[in-house]
Amino acid sequence: SQQGEEDPQALSIQEGENATMNCSYKTSINNLQWYRQNSGRGLVHLILIRSNEREKHSGRLRVTLDTSKKSSSLLITASRAADTASYFCATDYNQGGKLIFGQGTELSVKP
Amino acid sequence: GAGVSQSPSNKVTEKGKDVELRCDPISGHTALYWYRQSLGQGLEFLIYFQGNSAPDKSGLPSDRFSAERTGGSVSTLTIQRTQQEDSAVYLCASSLRTGVGQPQHFGDGTRLSIL
Repeated sequence: SQQGEEDPQALSIQEGENATMNCSYKTSINNLQWYRQNSGRGLVHLILIRSNEREKHSGRLRVTLDTSKKSSSLLITASRAADTASYFCATDYNQGGKLIFGQGTELSVKP
Repeated sequence: GAGVSQSPSNKVTEKGKDVELRCDPISGHTALYWYRQSLGQGLEFLIYFQGNSAPDKSGLPSDRFSAERTGGSVSTLTIQRTQQEDSAVYLCASSLRTGVGQPQHFGDGTRLSIL
């Protein structure tokens, strides 16, 4: 399977703390995406980072990519209860548009 | 509406029956994808319609699964002779363009339960 791995599988923090999730993948990529999924809902695209980028920011989100280690991390700063969701990394492994997803990290932010 | 719409939102059926799941992508989006999400298998790719090119069916788990996209818009995923292992949430997504590196917009899925 080409599915990457994410860790931790679950993360519980207090509001205001930072949350870091990690993703590893298996072969070379052109880009990597992060998605959020609230319970019972579809996935929402958060951010895309290309293989020639090392870091990207969007609001309270910071994504890094280390192609030598085949890994990426998503940092959510100053977390809020509304950030409670599952977070998935995904890449197309240069195989057209279909995405291969990691297993996800379930984040719980307690008020 | 502005987003991807899927129907029905929930479907319960008996083993052996056929089911049809519908997806209305965002207007103007060229690419349409179907994924399946289950507790044991996570998120799995099923099929990808890429504009006028032949669809990528490499993720369909068996010949009981088929999908079509009519007029470059609405798509229907059909599962024939359903089995209990088909129980899952079926997610549809669309993107503005085909090819790599396209953000995908997801519907809320159809939760399929096979009794």
